[in-house]
Amino acid sequence: GNSVTQMEGPVTLSEEAFLTINCTYTATGYPSLFWYVQYPGEGLQLLLKATKADDKGSNKGFEATYRKETTSFHLEKGSVQVSDSAVYFCALSGDSGNKLVFGAGTILRVKS
Amino acid sequence: GAGVSQTPSNKVTEKGKYVELRCDPISGHTALYWYRQSLGQGPEFLIYFQGTGAADDSGLPNDRFFAVRPEGSVSTLKIQRTERGDSAVYLCASSMGPGRANTGELFFGEGSRLTVL
Repeated sequence: GNSVTQMEGPVTLSEEAFLTINCTYTATGYPSLFWYVQYPGEGLQLLLKATKADDKGSNKGFEATYRKETTSFHLEKGSVQVSDSAVYFCALSGDSGNKLVFGAGTILRVKS
Repeated sequence: GAGVSQTPSNKVTEKGKYVELRCDPISGHTALYWYRQSLGQGPEFLIYFQGTGAADDSGLPNDRFFAVRPEGSVSTLKIQRTERGDSAVYLCASSMGPGRANTGELFFGEGSRLTVL
């Protein structure tokens, strides 16, 4: 079945450091890939997405590229801020388009 | 508010009790989803409604779990004979129509945290 594996956290960085959170997936067909973010006290929200191979999703300085050859969708940001502290989830959509499969989540802590 | 609303935000119950969790989706959203997030894990799909009907309930773990959406808006997740392993955050999401998981157009509530003692 479909699955997502992402790097374990917590990841602790200083402000303005470079961020990478690794995500790899196993899927049948051609899923869409997503990064969702959960800020403290808030619901999950979509951060960025890519719907086909080689697409790059980007938002708020974050970006991720859909790499079919390595089945990866790593999240990167060039310079993190304290306000980026949150839990980040990598996810893919199932064939029906009505079901998301999530990774376990990675806690990011950014210190000033 | 305009977002997905879930009540209660926290529920503590004893093993063996019955629990209901409510989800009020965004107005006009016809699709509604329930997910369960256990500690240290990502959300896991439970059930998906399109309108009043459960279009996919393949994620419900056993027959103690049941969900309804009688008027195609508010949904209730019902858990009978709760067990300690049911402790988790139950998330609800809604979208304008079917197939929106592919486009990321799912809007999540803040969740209901269930603790079974």
